[in-house]
Amino acid sequence: AQTVTQSQPEMSVQEAETVTLSCTYDTSESNYYLFWYKQPPSGQMILVIRQEAYKQQNATENRFSVNFQKAAKSFSLKISDSQLGDTAMYFCAFKRGTYKYIFGTGTRLKVLA
Amino acid sequence: DTGVSQNPRHKITKRGQNVTFRCDPISEHNRLYWYRQTLGQGPEFLTYFQNEAQLEKSRLLSDRFSAERPKGSFSTLEIQRTEQGDSAMYLCASSPPEGIRGTEAFFGQGTRLTVV
Repeated sequence: AQTVTQSQPEMSVQEAETVTLSCTYDTSESNYYLFWYKQPPSGQMILVIRQEAYKQQNATENRFSVNFQKAAKSFSLKISDSQLGDTAMYFCAFKRGTYKYIFGTGTRLKVLA
Repeated sequence: DTGVSQNPRHKITKRGQNVTFRCDPISEHNRLYWYRQTLGQGPEFLTYFQNEAQLEKSRLLSDRFSAERPKGSFSTLEIQRTEQGDSAMYLCASSPPEGIRGTEAFFGQGTRLTVV
């Protein structure tokens, strides 16, 4: 069975600094998708970034980038120039097959002014 | 494109009562998902529809839970004889057909259920 592990329940970072959130996963599949979602207090899950396993190049979206290590089954999220609006729960997710998303338990990130 | 809409946003019910939640997906999305999220946990998969067909139900979805998606448009999730353990956030998500605009799911704001 696929699992997604986020080992950091909470993290904090000073505004404008860089923070990295960790995620590991377990799968026997060779082609799959990985995602980072952000969930602010309002509750809505918002896609931050996605990575296709067959692409070796790490995905980047503005201040957000990933370090995808397929052999190690690691998928970390780096947030550069952290902003107060980045304060939220962050969930790593693995997409199994064509439709099922498996989520980790989340990391609560607090950006400090 | 108004996004995924869920109603109600909050629901408080007495144990033993039935509740129904509604989800309106993004109009061109044929895939629809229900997830449940309890405090301090990530969302857990409940069920998946492709058009009007319910293709998978999680073991988490006991006989008291039923979901429908008539005509492949909106979906409803009904919980009968609610129990306190049903208290959670119920999230709906939708996504376009595979291969179009990538593969991410778009989530609604959720329905928070409290069973007292």
